[in-house]
Amino acid sequence: NAGVTQTPKFQVLKTGQSMTLQCAQDMNHEYMSWYRQDPGMGLRLIHYSVGAGITDQGEVPNGYNVSRSTTEDFPLRLLSAAPSQTSVYFCASSSDAETGFVEKLFFGSGTQLSVL
Amino acid sequence: ELKVEQNPLFLSMQEGKNYTIYCNYSTTSDRLYWYRQDPGKSLESLFVLLSNGAVKQEGRLMASLDTKARLSTLHITAAVHDLSATYFCAPLRSGTYKYIFGTGTRLKVLA
Repeated sequence: NAGVTQTPKFQVLKTGQSMTLQCAQDMNHEYMSWYRQDPGMGLRLIHYSVGAGITDQGEVPNGYNVSRSTTEDFPLRLLSAAPSQTSVYFCASSSDAETGFVEKLFFGSGTQLSVL
Repeated sequence: ELKVEQNPLFLSMQEGKNYTIYCNYSTTSDRLYWYRQDPGKSLESLFVLLSNGAVKQEGRLMASLDTKARLSTLHITAAVHDLSATYFCAPLRSGTYKYIFGTGTRLKVLA
């Protein structure tokens, strides 16, 4: 199993450009999420999904869109990039099928995004 | 809203010493995880704590949970250089699917 795969690993954008960060998992996890990590602020939840066709907002959703058309994929779209979106982005997935709770998160390797 | 505070934010310690990292959270939580992140790397889970009084140990790390005080601790015993990393606590906000992460504690163990 590859686990959680994120692409690209690095990206530089100009202000106003749009792009999609890709995330795929091969563990048949229902739960997927996106976090951003900024120095001194830990990880902040952007959006999450509990299954195909179901998404919801996290703590910092503004400026980002998500969709979940399949169990495996959960792309994150930046609509119009801003310098404040410079960060490291992590995708994470988890299983909740048996307990009803979201269990431990399996993280991807991250995408380092710079917006100039 | 669930707020999570960790302290200290930075910790530099000598090998062989003991220390404790604290994680305070503001509202009820159904479970709490501790994660480790090596520099430039992703995060991996260390422990899950499910109920009041829960204690988990692996190697030189021991985690505990006091749900009444809304406090979790990560105790390091006889630190070694390999434990140098950033440690995060992440309680699950009750009734939601949201894990809220603390700011992290950056641990550096000096040889």
